[in-house]
Amino acid sequence: DAKTTQPTSMDCAEGRAANLPCNHSTISGNEYVYWYRQIHSQGPQYIIHGLKNNETNEMASLIITEDRKSSTLILPHATLRDTAVYYCIVRVGGSGAGSYQLTFGKGTKLSVIP
Amino acid sequence: EAQVTQNPRYLITVTGKKLTVTCSQNMNHEYMSWYRQDPGLGLRQIYYSMNVEVTDKGDVPEGYKVSRKEKRNFPLILESPSPNQTSLYFCASSGRGRGTEAFFGQGTRLTVV
Repeated sequence: DAKTTQPTSMDCAEGRAANLPCNHSTISGNEYVYWYRQIHSQGPQYIIHGLKNNETNEMASLIITEDRKSSTLILPHATLRDTAVYYCIVRVGGSGAGSYQLTFGKGTKLSVIP
Repeated sequence: EAQVTQNPRYLITVTGKKLTVTCSQNMNHEYMSWYRQDPGLGLRQIYYSMNVEVTDKGDVPEGYKVSRKEKRNFPLILESPSPNQTSLYFCASSGRGRGTEAFFGQGTRLTVV
């Protein structure tokens, strides 16, 4: 799987948009970009994923650059409960074992400030 | 409600005493896996299972066993726990197909003394 690079930490004011960047310059054509977050020591929680197009759901938006070498997770109105470690993961598609596996890096620790 | 359930949530045991951490999912998922999380090392995969009776090693399988006799259950077995297996453990499951999400359990904090 392609390697990802994320900033170690970020701060965001409560109520503002949080923009979390991720570089995945070696991503290949059949690899998806996934985002998970882990609040304190709870189990990681799925947020969103995408292949080429931008995606939006009730939690967040995912913007993937046209060359697919980087992406940004956007939390439109960050709250204190969004304080967590956010993981950007590149994961191959298909139905083989690799398509299920998630390789977690260090992630970005997002602190939402009141 | 779709969920992955791990038990126990907390466990303190002594070196060498066999233990099992259970994991159960109610989503009929084919794929299940175990991770451990340690400070500075992040989440690392221990074992995974593609389906019933199909298991394989992850990145850090030493000292662990798993079994998958039923689709919903994927227990993690420590035959002879050692202090270096003190960690936070997570079970996860996901279904088949492109772009499926993984669901994680709440975690089991294990201390081996």
